[in-house]
Amino acid sequence: DVKVTQSSRYLVKRTGEKVFLECVQDMDHENMFWYRQDPGLGLRLIYFSYDVKMKEKGDIPEGYSVSREKKERFSLILESASTNQTSMYLCASSLTRAGYTFGSGTRLTVV
Amino acid sequence: TQLLEQSPQFLSIQEGENLTVYCNSSSVFSSLQWYRQEPGEGPVLLVTVVTGGEVKKLKRLTFQFGDARKDSSLHITAAQPGDTGLYLCAGARAAGNKLTFGGGTRVLVKP
Repeated sequence: DVKVTQSSRYLVKRTGEKVFLECVQDMDHENMFWYRQDPGLGLRLIYFSYDVKMKEKGDIPEGYSVSREKKERFSLILESASTNQTSMYLCASSLTRAGYTFGSGTRLTVV
Repeated sequence: TQLLEQSPQFLSIQEGENLTVYCNSSSVFSSLQWYRQEPGEGPVLLVTVVTGGEVKKLKRLTFQFGDARKDSSLHITAAQPGDTGLYLCAGARAAGNKLTFGGGTRVLVKP
């Protein structure tokens, strides 16, 4: 089975901290995605990547950056965490034109 | 504004009843996917429909893609408590693999 592993299930960070969310997939998928999920707003795409060292902005990239140095790893970076970035963060990977495999999510609380 | 509108937003039924969830858009999608998400977990892919008018069955779940590839429905027959969860539809455009998600339908099946 394809596995997408997110490094933390729960995180609590302080306002202004730099936060790293890590995501690793083990099936050689070229595509990787970061979403946030909030009640009433659904899943919103932050950033995605179709290849190593490649990244594209999604619908809500402000306040975030990403890094994809290796094919299996896609990191989401909150440059200076703010309370409005408290959310459930979901990483996903896929082959082209195929369904997504999601990780279990990281619930981030910024205080 | 959601490109994909799901209805209803919430559905509570008794075990053994049938239910239908709708996913509608004014846009045409090359494919449409359905996911189920349980609390504290990431969404899990249930099915992908590609051809207009296509019907797919997965045990007690029946998925249909509209003829114009703008809408889809999910029908559950004789629902069981294990069907409880958040159901998400997601559409892919012809270019690329980026998915647009609907807002979700939360289904509660009471024993």
